[in-house]
Amino acid sequence: SQKIEQNSEALNIQEGKTATLTCNYTNYSPAYLQWYRQDPGRGPVFLLLIRENEKEKRKERLKVTFDTTLKQSLFHITASQPADSATYLCALEGGGNDMRFGAGTRLTVKP
Amino acid sequence: ETGVTQSPTHLIKTRGQQVTLRCSSQSGHNTVSWYQQALGQGPQFIFQYYREEENGRGNFPPRFSGLQFPNYSSELNVNALELDDSALYLCASSSGTGARIFSGNTIYFGEGSWLTVV
Repeated sequence: SQKIEQNSEALNIQEGKTATLTCNYTNYSPAYLQWYRQDPGRGPVFLLLIRENEKEKRKERLKVTFDTTLKQSLFHITASQPADSATYLCALEGGGNDMRFGAGTRLTVKP
Repeated sequence: ETGVTQSPTHLIKTRGQQVTLRCSSQSGHNTVSWYQQALGQGPQFIFQYYREEENGRGNFPPRFSGLQFPNYSSELNVNALELDDSALYLCASSSGTGARIFSGNTIYFGEGSWLTVV
C-alpha cells in the first residue's frame, strides 16, 4: 500500500543548528514533492517544490533534496531560529489523482 | 495572506446534522481542493473541483459533497455528521489545467474551518 512517513513526530534542536527532516514514501512515483509549514490552528503554507528530475532545491535558509531511488526527501533548515518552530509537512501526488500529505514533524527550536 | 478565505472559522454541530463550509479562492485560481485534517494528522484529500466539475476524489463517503461556482468559490457539504467528522477542514486553491490533480503549481491554503461534532 502507499505510505508517506515523516521521520518523527517531534524534533527539538538548539538555535543556530541545522534541522533535518525526513520524508520517506513507498509505492509512489511522484512527479513532484512539496514541503509545507503549518503553525498551530493555521492552514499549511507552501515552502518549496522539487521535481523528480531535480536533486536539490534551495530557498534562503531552506534546502530540499529528492532521491527517487531511495524514495526519500530531506528538508533542511540551516541556522535555525525559534521562529522556525512549527510542524512541517511533505506532500506528493498520489496514484489516485489526489495529493497526499505525511503526518508532519513538529520542530521546536530552543533559544 | 494567501487570498483564500474560509467560513465559518469555528462551528459546533450535533451528530446527524448537516453542515456547509465555504471557500473563496485566490483571484485567478480555477481549481479548489478540500482537505480534512484531524488532530495530529496530515491533511487528507477529500476532492477537487476544476471549473465547476469534480476532478478527483479521495477516500471519503458520498455524504461528503461539494460545489464550485462560476466565480470559482466553493462549498463543502457534509450530511449525517458523525463524531469522527470533527476536524479542521481546509480549502486550497491553485491555477491548473485539470489534467492532473497536482500539476506542480503552488497551492494556497485557507486558514480552515474547525468543525466539532457532539
